[in-house]
Amino acid sequence: QKEVEQNSGPLSVPEGAIASLNCTYSDRGSQSFFWYRQYSGKSPELIMFIYSNGDKEDGRFTAQLNKASQYVSLLIRDSQPSDSATYLCAVNFRGSNYKLTFGKGTLLTVNP
Amino acid sequence: DAMVIQNPRYQVTQFGKPVTLSCSQTLNHNVMYWYQQKSSQAPKLLFHYYDKDFNNEADTPDNFQSRRPNTSFCFLDIRSPGLGDAAMYLCATSREGQGPNQPQHFGDGTRLSIL
Repeated sequence: QKEVEQNSGPLSVPEGAIASLNCTYSDRGSQSFFWYRQYSGKSPELIMFIYSNGDKEDGRFTAQLNKASQYVSLLIRDSQPSDSATYLCAVNFRGSNYKLTFGKGTLLTVNP
Repeated sequence: DAMVIQNPRYQVTQFGKPVTLSCSQTLNHNVMYWYQQKSSQAPKLLFHYYDKDFNNEADTPDNFQSRRPNTSFCFLDIRSPGLGDAAMYLCATSREGQGPNQPQHFGDGTRLSIL
């Protein structure tokens, strides 16, 4: 069973804090991992993707991947109220070719 | 700007009345996907085209069909919409080939309501 698990939240952080969003997945052989941001009533927007173990940074965002432990996380530094959204984790499972399996998302609320 | 465009943004149809949603892309991506997303749920893949090859998901109802007349356009047809088909329908594209799979880029979605 191919599963992507995320805490549904809501995760509340004060403005300026670091928000940490976590995602676990069921297949250690998975290769590609994606984070999307989805505002209420809108479509998913790509934030970051990561293929290799370790950290990948892009501005205020850092993706962290640990394939041995089967988790991928997204850190948002200096959180802003405009970061308030649902964050979807998506995984390309081994044998799925290029198809993605999405988690249900974590709702993040950044309080001014 | 290169992008994925879905029309219409909002669609209201009657129970059982066929409806077509459209998606176009200027990214020249070879793969186009259709997802269904209901409130507080993960996007659910209905089917996708790899070039001209149609790939249906095993649990996609027969009520849902798709057409891709060329690289740029893809359509989702719902032959007899039921109340349970009310959802956001998302079109996405990606460029796939050798190497790790690439990010999918989404259109703005079409919100479908059934009366």
